[in-house]
Formats: sequence, C-alpha cells, structure tokens
Amino acid sequence: DVKVTQSSRYLVKRTGEKVFLECVQDMDHENMFWYRQDPGLGLRLIYFSYDVKMKEKGDIPEGYSVSREKKERFSLILESASTNQTSMYLCASSSSTDTQYFGPGTRLTVL
Amino acid sequence: GESVGLHLPTLSVQEGDNSIINCAYSNSASDYFIWYKQESGKGPQFIIDIRSNMDKRQGQRVTVLLNKTVKHLSLQIAATQPGDSAVYFCAENWSGGSNYKLTFGKGTLLTVNP
Repeated sequence: DVKVTQSSRYLVKRTGEKVFLECVQDMDHENMFWYRQDPGLGLRLIYFSYDVKMKEKGDIPEGYSVSREKKERFSLILESASTNQTSMYLCASSSSTDTQYFGPGTRLTVL
Repeated sequence: GESVGLHLPTLSVQEGDNSIINCAYSNSASDYFIWYKQESGKGPQFIIDIRSNMDKRQGQRVTVLLNKTVKHLSLQIAATQPGDSAVYFCAENWSGGSNYKLTFGKGTLLTVNP
C-alpha cells in the first residue's frame, strides 16, 4: 500500500512565525504535491515537485516555499504565517503514470 | 478556463440503496479520471480511476462510467453503507500537460441514512 505521512495532524502557530510542514512517501514516487483545502474552494495546488531539488509553482504559491532535498520528502514552508493561511494542508505523491495518493492532512491554525 | 464540476452538491440515500454521483468535465483532451472519497478530517482516499480508452470500470461495490461524448463521469456505489458517508470528488488529467497535475471538482457530500 502507498503510504504518505505528514508531520502533524494539527498545528497552531502565531502570525509572523515560520512554519514547516513535512511530508514523506514510501513508494519512491517522482512527483510530490502540496495543496490547501478550504470550504467552498476545494483543493488548490500550492507547489509541486517532479524530482529532487526541482519544483514548480502551482495555482497559489504566494506566501509559500518548498524544499525537496530527498526523493521521499517534500517540505512546505510558510516564511511568515498569516491568518489567511489557516487551512487544511494536504500532501500527495504520484509516479509519472499513476494517480495521486494523499496524506492525512495537517489542520493549521494561525492566530 | 477548463474546469471540473459536479451536478449535485449533496446527496442523501437510504442504507442499502445504490448511489450515483455525477461529474461534468470541460476539457475534451482530458484522458485520465479519478474518483476520491474524503471522510471528515481526513485526507482524500483513492477509490477508482478510468482512462479515456474505456467507458466503464468496476471495483469493489463501485463502478465508474465515462461518457466522452457529453464529457460526463459518474460514480455508482452499490448497496450504500453508513461508512460510505463522505465527500466524493472527481479529478481529471490531460497526460499531454504538466507532470500529471490534476484538476479537482468541488465535491458532493453523500449522506447515508440508516
């Protein structure tokens, strides 16, 4: 079974803090993705990576950065958290010819 | 722009009935489609997928139908159970595009009444 894990299920941070969300997959997938999910807006792609050290902006990259130093790990960074970044964050991974498999999500609250 | 949408935002069924959840897509070049199930507070879970060279695919209690003529996708759940209560959403992909990025629909909330 594909397994995608995320470092935290729930996280509470203060405005201006630097926040790291980590994602690990165990299927040797080339592609990894970070989404945020908000009521009424569905899943929106923040960034994705198709190889180690490679990244591409998704639909809403502003306020976020990513890091992929190892194939199995993809990190999402909020340089200076703001209240409008309160959301559910979902990581996913896929091979080049397969569907995306999601992690359990991190519910981030920025106060 | 291209989009994936759902006809019904909510669907309520009785336990044991069959459920049908619909999805319309607008990109005629899309060639890969996926259905996900998302329970409250959890990440989306892959249910079933279908490629455009097929019009029907069956899994365990689920069937996906693809009608490319009208750009319509449906998910049928047989003998719906309370554990099927969740948000279901479809996703589409065009393999000629960028690295298998998916376009997601907003979702349909399925409620199963005992």
